[in-house]
Amino acid sequence: RKEVEQDPGPFNVPEGATVAFNCTYSNSASQSFFWYRQDCRKEPKLLMSVYSSGNEDGRFTAQLNRASQYISLLIRDSKLSDSATYLCVVRILTGGGNKLTFGTGTQLKVEL
Amino acid sequence: NAGVMQNPRHLVRRRGQEARLRCSPMKGHSHVYWYRQLPEEGLKFMVYLQKENIIDESGMPKERFSAEFPKEGPSILRIQQVVRGDSAAYFCASSPSREVEGYTFGSGTRLTVV
Repeated sequence: RKEVEQDPGPFNVPEGATVAFNCTYSNSASQSFFWYRQDCRKEPKLLMSVYSSGNEDGRFTAQLNRASQYISLLIRDSKLSDSATYLCVVRILTGGGNKLTFGTGTQLKVEL
Repeated sequence: NAGVMQNPRHLVRRRGQEARLRCSPMKGHSHVYWYRQLPEEGLKFMVYLQKENIIDESGMPKERFSAEFPKEGPSILRIQQVVRGDSAAYFCASSPSREVEGYTFGSGTRLTVV
């Protein structure tokens, strides 16, 4: 079983649509959670951290359910510029280590 | 304040050659992380270094791969005797401390082995 699992998509949605991505993680020792965005052949960029209380940044809302080991990202009013791959990421601090574990990503294509 | 700088952006090596990938962390950052992204796969952790120390190399292949972060100069990821399967994008990230969440990545080095 993968440590972080995501639906690879692609999700093809019209501009203005609301789209939701889900992610599950297997390691209950995971301590921090993030969504990153990766454009084609570029570096991943931090989109937002994810907290149990839920957090919102403009059109983006992230939610964490520790009991179910489940993370979600909601994008409202999709823009063409939102087209990218969205990576679900968990962090584990073990001993001296500091490791991010990435899902393989969910591809979003926003169309006119 | 420049971001994480990686060079070269693209590197082509013949099978059996050595590849050296460089990463200069952001100013004031003493923690460096290397990740590899194989085609059509997610990023995989390779190694975590602080100045002059390897903290966690649990993601490094057992052979041919090594990493260092000297007191002066960039971090180096070295791949000896490259094979076609080493072709990938190699990303470096840095942080000012271990506790910082969500660190920033450099633009990566795309290694192609021919």
